Amino acid sequence: GAGVSQSPSNKVTEKGKDVELRCDPISGHTALYWYRQSLGQGLEFLIYFQGNSAPDKSGLPSDRFSAERTGGSVSTLTIQRTQQEDSAVYLCASSRPGATNYGYTFGSGTRLTVV
Amino acid sequence: SQQGEEDPQALSIQEGENATMNCSYKTSINNLQWYRQNSGRGLVHLILIRSNEREKHSGRLRVTLDTSKKSSSLLITASRAADTASYFCATSSGNTPLVFGKGTRLSVIA
Repeated sequence: GAGVSQSPSNKVTEKGKDVELRCDPISGHTALYWYRQSLGQGLEFLIYFQGNSAPDKSGLPSDRFSAERTGGSVSTLTIQRTQQEDSAVYLCASSRPGATNYGYTFGSGTRLTVV
Repeated sequence: SQQGEEDPQALSIQEGENATMNCSYKTSINNLQWYRQNSGRGLVHLILIRSNEREKHSGRLRVTLDTSKKSSSLLITASRAADTASYFCATSSGNTPLVFGKGTRLSVIA
């Protein structure tokens, strides 16, 4: 596609439920990133996929969070047993090979509200 | 961890004035990037400046980088109401993901 696509745009879930957030990156972008942003705050890094390499999971806040990227394209971020502090906007971005020399293209994000 | 820190946190100016935002960081970098965010959603890449560059221009944007002071500034000239947004700096070090600051919220009043 022309841009990074994220779905759903908004998700309201009950505390304790599991949620899945989807990201479809730009075709040909080998690097994919997940960040989250709490209200009025900066971006917090979660996880990074680069080609076929093992993902960098160093930013995941707890073992309730996991992500996968199938076929080097679409990625799914899963949050199990959601808590109220998980409420945030979850942003996905992708970038070209040689990612450090290029900017990221972000999706519009998924606003997650845990009630 | 937060690498870039923007200053000021918020800025309000009249249309037509220039807006200057600053970013400080702590470790050595490959490049520094500026992004804009409207309405708390996706960020848009504005400009990238490499560690061996000192100044870069793109339209009404001017970015400077001082690696000795570990700081950068973003200047928006002749601001417009449409420039109202949050602006973030982000630093790239090695092959690691970008680290973003908390942003400067710019309001341009018509």
